[in-house]
Amino acid sequence: DIQMTQSPSSLSASVGDRVTIKCRASQGITTHIAWFQQKPGKAPKSLIYAASTLQSDVSSRFSASGYGTDFSLTITSLQAEDFATYYCQHYHTYPLTFGGGTKVEIK
Amino acid sequence: EVQLVESGGGLVQPGGSLRLSCAASGLTLSDHYMDWVRQAPGKGLEWVARIRNRDRRDTTEYAASVKGKFTISRDDSQNSLFLHMTSLKTEDTAVYFCARAAGDRDGHYYVAYWGQGTLVTVSS
Repeated sequence: DIQMTQSPSSLSASVGDRVTIKCRASQGITTHIAWFQQKPGKAPKSLIYAASTLQSDVSSRFSASGYGTDFSLTITSLQAEDFATYYCQHYHTYPLTFGGGTKVEIK
Repeated sequence: EVQLVESGGGLVQPGGSLRLSCAASGLTLSDHYMDWVRQAPGKGLEWVARIRNRDRRDTTEYAASVKGKFTISRDDSQNSLFLHMTSLKTEDTAVYFCARAAGDRDGHYYVAYWGQGTLVTVSS
């Protein structure tokens, strides 16, 4: 199985900050990675697929990049509604696996 | 507007069975790959199962942790997705989400849209 290692597991940031979350796959997955946002008590929301393609309803504050094993999600100018937990997931082969999550908290 | 509404969760004893449902509106389930994903209380997300679309003959994939215990299926007449869970253990306690997958340009399928989830509690 492909393991997805996310870092950091949590971070504190202020409104307006630039934040980067990393995800490393245990083997190459080309661009077959998606990113999700989850707020407490809510369902996840899909943000990005194919490593860098934003879902149609996602703010351009979000961007992502990477290929192979190393990927990142960046939020520029963090807004209050961006405080949440973020997950990466590969969909290269079965089983699909998620990273452990990164909780973005208010400093 | 696409809506996925899960139901069927509740309290079940260890060793018991439960069937979860996901009613879809705004889309025809048989045209799509569909997933179940779960989240134990206070924990991260775990992919559980996938059923491919009718063109791919409804073939299925499972996580090792549920293979042989859980069965994903679809009823096209009801436009609903199901997860039949048997031999339940306390570690199966989680919110279960149904989700629609979509294909990228490489023909690989990612989770694109989530339902709100239904809580399954396995406890005596």
